[in-house]
Formats: sequence, structure tokens, C-alpha cells
Amino acid sequence: GENVEQHPSTLSVQEGDSAVIKCTYSDSASNYFPWYKQELGKRPQLIIDIRSNVGEKKDQRIAVTLNKTAKHFSLHITETQPEDSAVYFCAAMWNAGNMLTFGGGTRLMVKP
Amino acid sequence: SAVISQKPSRDICQRGTSLTIQCQVDSQVTMMFWYRQQPGQSLTLIATANQGSEATYESGFVIDKFPISRPNLTFSTLTVSNMSPEDSSIYLCSATGHYEQYFGPGTRLTVT
Repeated sequence: GENVEQHPSTLSVQEGDSAVIKCTYSDSASNYFPWYKQELGKRPQLIIDIRSNVGEKKDQRIAVTLNKTAKHFSLHITETQPEDSAVYFCAAMWNAGNMLTFGGGTRLMVKP
Repeated sequence: SAVISQKPSRDICQRGTSLTIQCQVDSQVTMMFWYRQQPGQSLTLIATANQGSEATYESGFVIDKFPISRPNLTFSTLTVSNMSPEDSSIYLCSATGHYEQYFGPGTRLTVT
């Protein structure tokens, strides 16, 4: 089955700096890679996703890149703000409507 | 995006009893899933709830312990049976119509 590794497990940055979280996956058949943000006591919220036919996707301050050959994808957050502090999860799915396999999560702390 | 609600939001139960968690989606969806999330941990898939057929369970989860119903395209239930303190966790349902997967707010279960 699919295995998703996520690094780092914790990340502390100064407000205004950039943050990068990296994930690797094992199943080359995976073709959909979402990122979720989970604030304390809240549900995971889908913040950005990318499909395997695209190399990069941006949405304001966040971007995701995908390297299919190396089987890794990354989340980039620019100009970080204290409200970006949360746990971020990457995930992989091998076909529409199937289960997601999650990475272990990254606790991002943005210091004001 | 789908709007998902869960009931109850939290409960404290005695060991040996059972609790049924309800998940309601505001639109018809193809697939519904049930996850477990221990504090500070990632999400672990319990099972996929298929409409009109039996649920598909992941390794380590069995139907006798976690019976699931999916009577229609907008509703599912998860029962945690014969509970022990090890079942204390957050249980989340999710739903997808295609690729994007959205989560309910979770049910925080404490077993004493």
C-alpha cells in the first residue's frame, strides 16, 4: 500500500519568513496530493491540492510543487503570519474517490 | 465543497458500552470514510463506507468492533463497540465526490 513520509515534524519560523514542508510517497500510481491545515481542536481543512499532471500550483501565499519522478511534493508558505500556526498534513490518493494516505504531520509555529 | 456534520461532538462513555456516531453530508457523495486521530497524531483510516454494500476495513480494524452503516448517499454511522480506554480518541468522518475530500468536525470520545 501507499506510504507517505512528511518532514519536518516541527517547524518554527519568524513572522514574514517562508516555510517549506516536504513529503515523499511510495506508490507511483498516486495521482492526487492534497494538503490539510488543522488548528487545535478543529477539523482538517483542505488548503491546496495538486494532481499528477501539474508540476506546481499557487494560491496567494501558499504553493505546492510536485516531482513525480522523485515521488515527492512540497508545501511552500511565504510571508508567514501567526495565524498560519497549525499542524499541516500532506496526503496522497491513487485515484478519484479513493482513500487518502496521510503523512505524519508538521507542527508549524510562526513567532511574531 | 461539501458541508459535513457529526453527532455527538463529544462523549464520555463507560468501558464495555457502545457509542454510535452519526455523519451527515449536505450533498450526495460517492464515498464516505471514517478516521481515527489520537491526540497529536496523524489520521488513521478505519474504513470506507460504501453505499449499498459492506464497509471496507483497513488492517487492524474489524467489523465487530467498528460496525458501519451507509444507508444512503448523504449519511453514515460508525459504532464503537465494547469500548475500552484504548478507544479514547477523536473520530472523524469525511466525504468525497471525486478528488477533494472534506472532513466533519470530529467526535471526541473518552472511555473511562
